[in-house]
Amino acid sequence: DIVMTQTPLSLSVTPGQPASISCKSSQSLLHSDGKTYLYWYLQKPGQSPQLLIYEVSSRFSGVPDRFSGSGSGTDFTLKISRVEAEDVGVYYCMQGIHLPPTFGQGTKVEIK
Amino acid sequence: EVQLVESGGGLVQPGRSLRLSCTASGFTFGDYAMSWFRQAPGKGLEWVGFIRSKAYGGTTEYAASVKGRFTISRDDSKSIAYLQMNSLKTEDTAVYYCTRDLNAGYWGQGTLVTVSS
Repeated sequence: DIVMTQTPLSLSVTPGQPASISCKSSQSLLHSDGKTYLYWYLQKPGQSPQLLIYEVSSRFSGVPDRFSGSGSGTDFTLKISRVEAEDVGVYYCMQGIHLPPTFGQGTKVEIK
Repeated sequence: EVQLVESGGGLVQPGRSLRLSCTASGFTFGDYAMSWFRQAPGKGLEWVGFIRSKAYGGTTEYAASVKGRFTISRDDSKSIAYLQMNSLKTEDTAVYYCTRDLNAGYWGQGTLVTVSS
């Protein structure tokens, strides 16, 4: 199975400041179809996870543009340009190129 | 609006069975694969398995931890996906979520399964 490693595991951010989460995979997530199957999810407290970013950098419907994804191959980053109070929760990366889909451990983001 | 509603969770003894349902609306159910994920209390997310659409054979794939015990099926006429869980273990205790497709763009609210004697 592909191992997904997130850093940091927790993050405390002042509102209005940027935040960044790294995700590294044990194998390349670049498919022969040219797409890279790396996803980012946010699970807010007491809620189901929600998809933020698909295929490395595409924002899902309704996701604010302060969220952006980047990276290639095995190294990926989720950036929040200006953190808001509603962004608290646990962020997960997930690879979807090989079965089974696997997640990072999660990064807990809190507001200072 | 895409909606997914899981049901069927509850308290069950080890070794027994339980069937979860995922009722979908707001999209053409038969056109999509449906996946199940789970989250043990205080833990991260784990993929359980998925079923392809009929156009792709309607075949299934499972995580190693549930293969041979869990079965996913679908009824496209009712827009429902099922997760049949047999030989349940205490480590199967989790909130179970269904999602549309493997990229999980849409999630249900989850249903809690507690396996305990």
